[in-house]
Amino acid sequence: DSGVTQTPKHLITATGQRVTLRCSPRSGDLSVYWYQQSLDQGLQFLIQYYNGEERAKGNILERFSAQQFPDLHSELNLSSLELGDSALYFCASSVEVTGGGYTFGSGTRLTVV
Amino acid sequence: LAKTTQPISMDSYEGQEVNITCSHNNIATNDYITWYQQFPSQGPRFIIQGYKTKVTNEVASLFIPADRKSSTLSLPRVSLSDTAVYYCLVALASYNTDKLIFGTGTRLQVFP
Repeated sequence: DSGVTQTPKHLITATGQRVTLRCSPRSGDLSVYWYQQSLDQGLQFLIQYYNGEERAKGNILERFSAQQFPDLHSELNLSSLELGDSALYFCASSVEVTGGGYTFGSGTRLTVV
Repeated sequence: LAKTTQPISMDSYEGQEVNITCSHNNIATNDYITWYQQFPSQGPRFIIQGYKTKVTNEVASLFIPADRKSSTLSLPRVSLSDTAVYYCLVALASYNTDKLIFGTGTRLQVFP
C-alpha cells in the first residue's frame, strides 16, 4: 500500500456520460497530480494541485476538470466521455517540491463503451 | 522542460547487471533525475533519485556524469520480477511549477 488511495478501482460507463475519480493523497502530502495512461502508452500528465490551488496543467482536455478540496483529497471529473478516454488514471502525491519523489496510487481503470 | 530519451526495450537474463541509460540534453540547473518502475496495471514505483555523481540504495544505483546530460540506472543481478517498464524523469525542483513529464520508458524483459 503506497498510501495514495484511488477510488473506484474500476469504472465502466457509456459514451457521453460523466464520471468522477477520487484520490486521497498520502498523509502529509500537499500536492496531487493526475495522469492518464492509455493501453500500452506512456503516462500523460494532466494536472497538478497544491494545497487546494491549481499549480500546473498538462495535456488535459477541456472536457476534463479537477479540484482539490480543503481536506486535500482530489477529484478528476471526466465529461462527455468518448471511447478514446478509456485508460488507467493515476493519482500521485508529494509533500511539496522535491524534484520527483512522488508516490502513485494504484489507479482507476476507466472503460467507456 | 527537459525531454528524456530512453531505449524502448532491453532484454537480460537472471543474475546479470542491467544498465539503462537516459538522455536529457536540456536538463536545467534545478532539475533532479528520478527513476520509476511500473508493472502492468499498477502505478509507477519510485526507485531512485539523484542530482549529480552517484547515488546508491538497496535496489539500484544511479550514475550521473558531470554535464548531467544523461544518467544511467544500474540494476545489479536482475531477477524475473524485475521485468517491468522503467521511466526516467527529469523534474523541476521549483516551488511554483512542478511538472512530471514522463518519457516513453524502457521495457525490460528478464529471461530465466
